[in-house]
Amino acid sequence: RKEVEQDPGPFNVPEGATVAFNCTYSNSASQSFFWYRQDCRKEPKLLMSVYSSGNEDGRFTAQLNRASQYISLLIRDSKLSDSATYLCVVNRWTGNTPLVFGKGTRLSVIA
Amino acid sequence: GAGVSQSPSNKVTEKGKDVELRCDPISGHTALYWYRQRLGQGLEFLIYFQGNSAPDKSGLPSDRFSAERTGESVSTLTIQRTQQEDSAVYLCASSARSMNTEAFFGQGTRLTVV
Repeated sequence: RKEVEQDPGPFNVPEGATVAFNCTYSNSASQSFFWYRQDCRKEPKLLMSVYSSGNEDGRFTAQLNRASQYISLLIRDSKLSDSATYLCVVNRWTGNTPLVFGKGTRLSVIA
Repeated sequence: GAGVSQSPSNKVTEKGKDVELRCDPISGHTALYWYRQRLGQGLEFLIYFQGNSAPDKSGLPSDRFSAERTGESVSTLTIQRTQQEDSAVYLCASSARSMNTEAFFGQGTRLTVV
């Protein structure tokens, strides 16, 4: 089982739709969590950190469920510019390499 | 301030040649990661450096791949006797050594082996 798992998609949604991605992680010692966005042929960039209480940034909401070991990203009122690959990232703090990246979920927002 | 800088941005090389890729992390960042990303694929972890500790080389795909970093400065990734399957974007990221810190990526080196 991979340490961080995501549905690769693609998710094809119309403009204005609400879409949600989940990500599961296997290491219960994981300490912090992030969502990154990667545009085609660009480097990944931080979208938002994920806090235990859940957090919101405009149209984006991230939530963490430690008991079930998953994090989620909700995008409301999708825009064409939201089309990208969304990467789930877990900081396990311990072990050799702290940050573990998921393979990403592709989102295409269609006009 | 300056972000993570990688050079060259593009490299075309002949099969069998050696290549060296360079990464300048953000100043003060003790952690440095190298990843490989083939076209349409996810990030593939290669190697991780943390300060002066022994690097985690568990992701290096073969002994043709090696990387070095002196202290908390520049890192170089070397691929010897390049093969066509080495063609990919090589991404470097750095972060501070802290539980809640994120990693910042360079723009990558696009390597094409012909």
